[in-house]
Amino acid sequence: SAVISQKPSRDICQRGTSLTIQCQVDSQVTMMFWYRQQPGQSLTLIATANQGSEATYESGFVIDKFPISRPNLTFSTLTVSNMSPEDSSIYLCSVPLGGSYGYTFGSGTRLTVV
Amino acid sequence: LAKTTQPISMDSYEGQEVNITCSHNNIATNDYITWYQQFPSQGPRFIIQGYKTKVTNEVASLFIPADRKSSTLSLPRVSLSDTAVYYCLVGDMDTNAGKSTFGDGTTLTVKP
Repeated sequence: SAVISQKPSRDICQRGTSLTIQCQVDSQVTMMFWYRQQPGQSLTLIATANQGSEATYESGFVIDKFPISRPNLTFSTLTVSNMSPEDSSIYLCSVPLGGSYGYTFGSGTRLTVV
Repeated sequence: LAKTTQPISMDSYEGQEVNITCSHNNIATNDYITWYQQFPSQGPRFIIQGYKTKVTNEVASLFIPADRKSSTLSLPRVSLSDTAVYYCLVGDMDTNAGKSTFGDGTTLTVKP
């Protein structure tokens, strides 16, 4: 199954700034997914990152706030823009496992906005 | 994507078998059922998937009745390290392009 390297693992940022999270996969995958997990909550899908086309965002998430890049089949970035304390969450990327309907997840980026 | 309902929390003791049931009354014909485990400060980890009847792997078993409106994750002889949040997901992984909608999950606490 694919192995995901996600960076940074954690960061503390000032409000109004932006943070870019990177997700590197050790194999080529068609789709990558970005999730948010607020403290004590379940995971919420932010968007699907497709190589060669714009990301598809879920209801409640917009490109201006969470721009996504997908330059090739092994890499994607998610930027959290103009951050506020409400953006403090864990952000995770995910890709299909291959050979099943399961998915593998990165270890997450714990973001704290002060 | 079908909505899932799980107990919010469960307690168990080391060495016991734990069964976590998930309700998915609106499951569609093409939907599969998958279960994940999440430890604090980690991403979810895929445990098992199934469509109907029983599936077993080295970690767990998944029981799905004929009407598929529920499923039960069975963890044999749990240990303290099985303390985690367990998520049940239901969806047509082909037509929904692999999107996974996570429910609230079940927090399992294993006690010595």
